[in-house]
Amino acid sequence: DGGITQSPKYLFRKEGQNVTLSCEQNLNHDAMYWYRQDPGQGLRLIYYSQIVNDFQKGDIAEGYSVSREKKESFPLTVTSAQKNPTAFYLCASSYLGGNEQYFGPGTRLTVT
Amino acid sequence: GENVEQHPSTLSVQEGDSAVIKCTYSDSASNYFPWYKQELGKRPQLIIDIRSNVGEKKDQRIAVTLNKTAKHFSLHITETQPEDSAVYFCAANGDNAGNMLTFGGGTRLMVKP
Repeated sequence: DGGITQSPKYLFRKEGQNVTLSCEQNLNHDAMYWYRQDPGQGLRLIYYSQIVNDFQKGDIAEGYSVSREKKESFPLTVTSAQKNPTAFYLCASSYLGGNEQYFGPGTRLTVT
Repeated sequence: GENVEQHPSTLSVQEGDSAVIKCTYSDSASNYFPWYKQELGKRPQLIIDIRSNVGEKKDQRIAVTLNKTAKHFSLHITETQPEDSAVYFCAANGDNAGNMLTFGGGTRLMVKP
């Protein structure tokens, strides 16, 4: 399955709670990404990281935070400041300069 | 930054017919254009990609064409089959050292048996 995993597959949270989505890869990729996908929409970049201990905001970073303490792991925290957190979240990874991104299976987050 | 527009948003074809999906991009520095297929509830998977040094690339029933002057590229699927039904996304890498991709809004392709 491409060596990139996300957990859990489904996640339910109450409004006002922070929640952390896991993303792990064993492809030895340097770069990792988080995207948000809403029904009928394309993929929007939340955060990306090209190297351990460094990451940059994407187009829709408000209300989200990330860390990159290990090359293999890039967890995403959806904070209570995110106004519309219910969505399908996809993690991806790639070699630096390699362009092709490999996607994880996604986490569907529902906040009520 | 890069902006990618994709059309149509939905496309319905009869099995055996051809399907064409078109994308335009804004950043002339883009040099990598992948196409991803996403089945319902699944992860996007790369089906074909093209770099700016070629104008066309084929892989069995799928092909991609690139017009750098007009800044548009297209996905062509011939002899469509029901299993081709999915959402297709185009993307371009823009001017960012090649790592990040900007995606189009997606096209839902429905192949009717």
